Amino acid sequence: DAGVIQSPRHEVTEMGQEVTLRCKPISGHDYLFWYRQTMMRGLELLIYFNNNVPIDDSGMPEDRFSAKMPNASFSTLKIQPSEPRDSAVYFCASTSSGIYETQYFGPGTRLLVL
Amino acid sequence: AQKVTQAQTEISVVEKEDVTLDCVYETRDTTYYLFWYKQPPSGELVFLIRRNSFDEQNEISGRYSWNFQKSTSSFNFTITASQVVDSAVYFCALSEGNTGGFKTIFGAGTRLFVKA
Repeated sequence: DAGVIQSPRHEVTEMGQEVTLRCKPISGHDYLFWYRQTMMRGLELLIYFNNNVPIDDSGMPEDRFSAKMPNASFSTLKIQPSEPRDSAVYFCASTSSGIYETQYFGPGTRLLVL
Repeated sequence: AQKVTQAQTEISVVEKEDVTLDCVYETRDTTYYLFWYKQPPSGELVFLIRRNSFDEQNEISGRYSWNFQKSTSSFNFTITASQVVDSAVYFCALSEGNTGGFKTIFGAGTRLFVKA
């Protein structure tokens, strides 16, 4: 079974540009999480979905960040406009029926905003 | 407040040494789960173990073992006979809450260097 898939794996963009990160969860998993990892703040939960519905977005840093999950097999995290301080590794994770279940992480998207 | 503390920022050992990574957590919930993840230099996060708050039994998996003690709010991870391939950052995490109010908090991580 394929794991969590994220694209792109690396993204370099200029400040002010729109960035869209993509995630395909493991088939059958009904929870999806977006995390951000930086040296300064470590791993932070940004938002999570249950059955495609956003449940808690309190970790989203600013209105420049938005996330959607139009169907069970696809989610996006968008940053518009991007800023250098958004440079980080963004992970997507999914888990099956239960918020206490093990989260399986994608390989991450390394974002650099110049 | 929910918190996970990994006081050891970096640990360096020589191959075949045993090493223990500490994790101390804070929570007001009686139901919670604890996790350990490994992040090798390649960057992915690899699940190692999950433990619920009602199960204090220690667990052993090959060279890995975990010691969960609610009395001290600790969930420590020991690698026996360490190997170079164990070099990675190890994260302890805490999940608590019910539907509608769930949080996962990760510790800052412990970077383990295993030298040949």
